Amino acid sequence: EVQLVESGGDVVQPGGSLRLSCAASGFTFSGSPIHWVRQASGKGLEWVGRIRSKDDSYATGYGASVKGRFTISRDDSKNTAYLQMNSLKTEDTAVYYCTRQTSSYWYFDLWGRGTLVTVSS
Amino acid sequence: DIQMTQSPSSLSASVGDRVTITCRASQTISSYLNWYQQKPGKAPKLLIYAASSLQSGVPSRFRGSGSGTDFTLTISSLQPEDFATYYCQQSYITPFTFGPGTKVDIK
Repeated sequence: EVQLVESGGDVVQPGGSLRLSCAASGFTFSGSPIHWVRQASGKGLEWVGRIRSKDDSYATGYGASVKGRFTISRDDSKNTAYLQMNSLKTEDTAVYYCTRQTSSYWYFDLWGRGTLVTVSS
Repeated sequence: DIQMTQSPSSLSASVGDRVTITCRASQTISSYLNWYQQKPGKAPKLLIYAASSLQSGVPSRFRGSGSGTDFTLTISSLQPEDFATYYCQQSYITPFTFGPGTKVDIK
């Protein structure tokens, strides 16, 4: 089955760190750019960042609100992408989705179910 | 960054109604505009990509149009399963910004 499955969501204190995983199956993961998108409760979708494939030198990009604090990586041998979140703030509380980007027009055709991150003291 | 706006922010409609949602980009994005549907507690689902291409498996009552800065999502005859929130998204340049969403609920 073609799918993405996020894991690693938890409750963490402000200033803490957390690493989310995004496990892929059923498609050629190594060739697919992977993005992270988050959604605070009752709010809209916010693009967090992305990592390109090996062919594009694993280039990364981040949204302004997380740049310098979050890092995206991938292990193609494990078909898994990661979102390392440091210096967490209460406003980072959200459901985090990973999603696959297509090669043309760059839309997101496959989404995981999401994992909840709660930043609270 | 490219800013995306949507209107209306919410609407109430009946089954069988024709529904139109508009999306505007703060600068030209050619046809790099996508539409997603999201139901409560679920991940977003791709409906339309490249402004007007219907994703496989999506009913033909969904139609996208536009280019440049102005885009439209039309649902020709609203069905019970279409009550949801709809988001536009530009994929022209990162950050791939989303619109604020349009919630479609039952009149």
